[in-house]
Amino acid sequence: GAVVSQHPSWVICKSGTSVKIECRSLDFQATTMFWYRQFPKQSLMLMATSNEGSKATYEQGVEKDKFLINHASLTLSTLTVTSAHPEDSSFYICSAIYRRSGNTIYFGEGSWLTVV
Amino acid sequence: GDSVTQMEGPVTLSEEAFLTINCTYTATGYPSLFWYVQYPGEGLQLLLKATKADDKGSNKGFEATYRKETTSFHLEKGSVQVSDSAVYFCALSDEGAQKLVFGQGTRLTINP
Repeated sequence: GAVVSQHPSWVICKSGTSVKIECRSLDFQATTMFWYRQFPKQSLMLMATSNEGSKATYEQGVEKDKFLINHASLTLSTLTVTSAHPEDSSFYICSAIYRRSGNTIYFGEGSWLTVV
Repeated sequence: GDSVTQMEGPVTLSEEAFLTINCTYTATGYPSLFWYVQYPGEGLQLLLKATKADDKGSNKGFEATYRKETTSFHLEKGSVQVSDSAVYFCALSDEGAQKLVFGQGTRLTINP
């Protein structure tokens, strides 16, 4: 079946640095991908919708200058957390729409970010 | 706005026990409802879905019925197995949209 892969699965970075998380659709093209984050014991919260070849659409309250999303190809979207701070430590997960499969949504494995 | 509330976990059961994980929702329109499952080290996978009132979604022995009158979509399984141990997420999407609104997830552990 369709697979979405995220990398890295775990990342630790120093406060003030930037970190990039990749989301790839391995065997299908995805014009639309979504980025979510999850705090411990809380829901997965949608951060933004990533559209291939155009700017991402951010949800209310998400800082677009801090969470840079790039969807430069039909199989890759990246989330860059800029000037990371400890409060950005979270679980980030992406999903992609497989339109040829009735718009089925496939999720990546998620990425744990810890900012120290 | 739309929201989903799930039974708080963790839930621990013995093998072959009956499972219910409660899920209720708030939505302005007529959403589609989903249950996703996340096994350790893997991404979320769609377990089942229902797109309109009174629909029953089912898969792998799990069932959930879309109850508009009680705004609920409770997940049930008659006899759980150790392999069902995972985190389960209830979610909704507004009609026509593909954005998902998730509950907080319920961690299920089945002991042999």
